[in-house]
Amino acid sequence: AQSVTQLGSHVSVSEGALVLLRCNYSSSVPPYLFWYVQYPNQGLQLLLKYTSAATLVKGINGFEAEFKKSETSFHLTKPSAHMSDAAEYFCAVSDQSGGSNYKLTFGKGTLLTVNP
Amino acid sequence: EAEVAQSPRYKITEKSQAVAFWCDPISGHATLYWYRQILGQGPELLVQFQDESVVDDSQLPKDRFSAERLKGVDSTLKIQPAELGDSAMYLCASSQGTVNTDTQYFGPGTRLTVL
Repeated sequence: AQSVTQLGSHVSVSEGALVLLRCNYSSSVPPYLFWYVQYPNQGLQLLLKYTSAATLVKGINGFEAEFKKSETSFHLTKPSAHMSDAAEYFCAVSDQSGGSNYKLTFGKGTLLTVNP
Repeated sequence: EAEVAQSPRYKITEKSQAVAFWCDPISGHATLYWYRQILGQGPELLVQFQDESVVDDSQLPKDRFSAERLKGVDSTLKIQPAELGDSAMYLCASSQGTVNTDTQYFGPGTRLTVL
């Protein structure tokens, strides 16, 4: 089974500073990786996904992530944090469920706070 | 923009009562998922449907939880009887197919509190 580990349950940055949220994966096959964002009392929204087409993936709201096979990582970055980026962020890997079907296996999440 | 609909948004119930949650996926999406998200954790899959068939319910506590998607469109998740440990956010998601690169679209969730 595939899994992801998010390093740091809570990250705090100043407005305008670099955002770096870490995700490492464990997979016996080439992984397909996703980053989702969750605002309080809401569902999850897809930020970006890696499907092996390109190692640097650009997503919504200025976020991007780089797939590094040698480091088994898929860290999420944004050059300049905005107050509206405060939310919880989840890294996920596509994992086989029943038969030829797939599900998402999520990390435990990283809460991002942005200070004025 | 099409969205996944869920109701109710919030539910408070007492231990041993029955509760039910409803989900309407994005039109045309064949695959529907129910996830449970405990506070401070990532979502975990409870059950996955392909059209009206269950393809994965390995993590569904079948002694108290049941799920159905009778016509392959909307779905209901039921808990009977509810226990204190069932307090969580229940998220429904849908995708066009079951390919490993398919994007899952999530609804707003139902927050369940069991007293």
